[in-house]
Amino acid sequence: LAKTTQPISMDSYEGQEVNITCSHNNIATNDYITWYQQFPSQGPRFIIQGYKTKVTNEVASLFIPADRKSSTLSLPRVSLSDTAVYYCLVGDRMNSGYSTLTFGKGTMLLVSP
Amino acid sequence: DAGVIQSPRHEVTEMGQEVTLRCKPISGHNSLFWYRQTMMRGLELLIYFNNNVPIDDSGMPEDRFSAKMPNASFSTLKIQPSEPRDSAVYFCASSFGQINNSPLHFGNGTRLTVT
Repeated sequence: LAKTTQPISMDSYEGQEVNITCSHNNIATNDYITWYQQFPSQGPRFIIQGYKTKVTNEVASLFIPADRKSSTLSLPRVSLSDTAVYYCLVGDRMNSGYSTLTFGKGTMLLVSP
Repeated sequence: DAGVIQSPRHEVTEMGQEVTLRCKPISGHNSLFWYRQTMMRGLELLIYFNNNVPIDDSGMPEDRFSAKMPNASFSTLKIQPSEPRDSAVYFCASSFGQINNSPLHFGNGTRLTVT
């Protein structure tokens, strides 16, 4: 089963770049890597998704090495409002052949002034 | 689009009572997921449907929990009888396409308190 491992927490200051790495050693060939952000009292919110190399959107970049066994979410110039829990998610292949989606513990990012 | 809509937003009930949580997925989405979140266990997948058919219900805690999706625009999660350990935030999410490459869209959740 694909399983993700992330640091439990990270601290940063406003204006800094933050990189959160997730390991997923058993990722399946056709699975994408998706990152979510969750604020208290809200559901997780999609940030970015990628399959390989680098993906960039208006809020983040995602770096995926050639072996795809890990991925790094990069948040440029964080602000206080980026304080949240960040999850990486890959598919879990079940015995039935279907995929399911199991969240890990996530990384609690605290941004200070 | 209004996004995934869940109701009620909050539910407080006594042990032994039946609880029904409701979810309206985003129109056109073909997969629907029920998750439960607690401080101790994090986000747990309870069940998911694809084209209204349950695909993975291995996360459903026990027979007290049941979920239905009678049509593409509505799903319910029922707990009968409820117990204090069921207290959690229950999220519904939907997606379109293959689940291994389609982002999930979450509702705002239902906070359930069982006393």
